Amino acid sequence: GAVVSQHPSRVICKSGTSVKIECRSLDFQATTMFWYRQFPKQSLMLMATSNEGSKATYEQGVEKDKFLINHASLTLSTLTVTSAHPEDSSFYICSAMTDQETQYFGPGTRLLVL
Amino acid sequence: KQEVTQIPAALSVPEGENLVLNCSFTDSAIYNLQWFRQDPGKGLTSLLLIQSSQREQTSGRLNASLDKSSGRSTLYIAASQPGDSATYLCAVPTGGGNKLTFGTGTQLKVEL
Repeated sequence: GAVVSQHPSRVICKSGTSVKIECRSLDFQATTMFWYRQFPKQSLMLMATSNEGSKATYEQGVEKDKFLINHASLTLSTLTVTSAHPEDSSFYICSAMTDQETQYFGPGTRLLVL
Repeated sequence: KQEVTQIPAALSVPEGENLVLNCSFTDSAIYNLQWFRQDPGKGLTSLLLIQSSQREQTSGRLNASLDKSSGRSTLYIAASQPGDSATYLCAVPTGGGNKLTFGTGTQLKVEL
């Protein structure tokens, strides 16, 4: 149990376009999901906390208008990178938190912006 | 601000060796610490979670210890195998909530 999926696993897009990444909890409901970014050979950095039915909470330095988060259901959160640029190329990982406050992580999405 | 550091950043050992990975954190007001494994290009797998009231946790060949007062945790891997090759990350909750601050990671390679 406690499986989290992400889609797509890899995406290549042109500079200036928008990309949507989905995070789903497959066998449990998650009122809270987290979005992380990981640059090559670096650790995970929390970007934002996604709360079902309310606005996301962004970490300092993360542009909320650039990284749009929607948590419309208890099993799905989406991260949209708007007007993507090459510096947005990164590995994006989500986690979903159970009622027991345990986080389960998705397999990640690798974004490459050309 | 909580800062989490892991030493060494990279480690290469022959198969069969016992090894220790280190994690240190600056703010000792944590209620647990978690160790994760990350394979290249993949997500995270939780290995062990130690509550602040515990001193250690064991799972198979893995043993994690926690010393809150000194701001340190160690992950001990016994009889290492090539399949243990991965990046190991420690993480602590931040700000009294469920947000995690991750360490800088140790990239482990176990060679035949």
